[in-house]
Amino acid sequence: EPEVTQTPSHQVTQMGQEVILRCVPISNHLYFYWYRQILGQKVEFLVSFYNNEISEKSEIFDDQFSVERPDGSNFTLKIRSTKLEDSAMYFCASNRLSSYSGNTIYFGEGSWLTVV
Amino acid sequence: GENVEQHPSTLSVQEGDSAVIKCTYSDSASNYFPWYKQELGKRPQLIIDIRSNVGEKKDQRIAVTLNKTAKHFSLHITETQPEDSAVYFCAAVRVGTYKYIFGTGTRLKVLA
Repeated sequence: EPEVTQTPSHQVTQMGQEVILRCVPISNHLYFYWYRQILGQKVEFLVSFYNNEISEKSEIFDDQFSVERPDGSNFTLKIRSTKLEDSAMYFCASNRLSSYSGNTIYFGEGSWLTVV
Repeated sequence: GENVEQHPSTLSVQEGDSAVIKCTYSDSASNYFPWYKQELGKRPQLIIDIRSNVGEKKDQRIAVTLNKTAKHFSLHITETQPEDSAVYFCAAVRVGTYKYIFGTGTRLKVLA
């Protein structure tokens, strides 16, 4: 069964450094998402992406964050200048139809980011 | 704003007993309600979902009920097994948006 894959699985970075988290969505999917989960807390929406542009973003997704689909397979999340509070598990997700129509999204295994 | 409340935060049951987890959503325009199971350090995995035009859905030992009027939906697990132990998240999705609003999670422990 195809899966969403993410790299790295774990990254430790110094505060103020830039981080890029990478995702390969399921190949025939068209809608892509980033969510984050601070340790012990709920999963929170960051951003959705379709047709090479952001569809929707949350208040968490400020100017420090950006997303990109640099080629036909990768979907990246960049954090420009990391803060301690950015430490979290970041999940990429994708689906073929939009969640607008109520179809489920499929999560990757996550990238655990630790900012020190 | 949009919010999903989930109760209880922890739940311990004896193997073979039933478990019920309840969620309440605030946005009456929500029309899709998935439930995810997350094992420690793993991705959330969909276990069952329900759309707003349906009141109940069942899949083997798992069932979900939806009360649109009260804006409640619940997960029912019967004949629980130790491998059901995990954190369960409910979510609500509003028509016309792309984001899932997750509940705060329920840590279910099934005691052998």
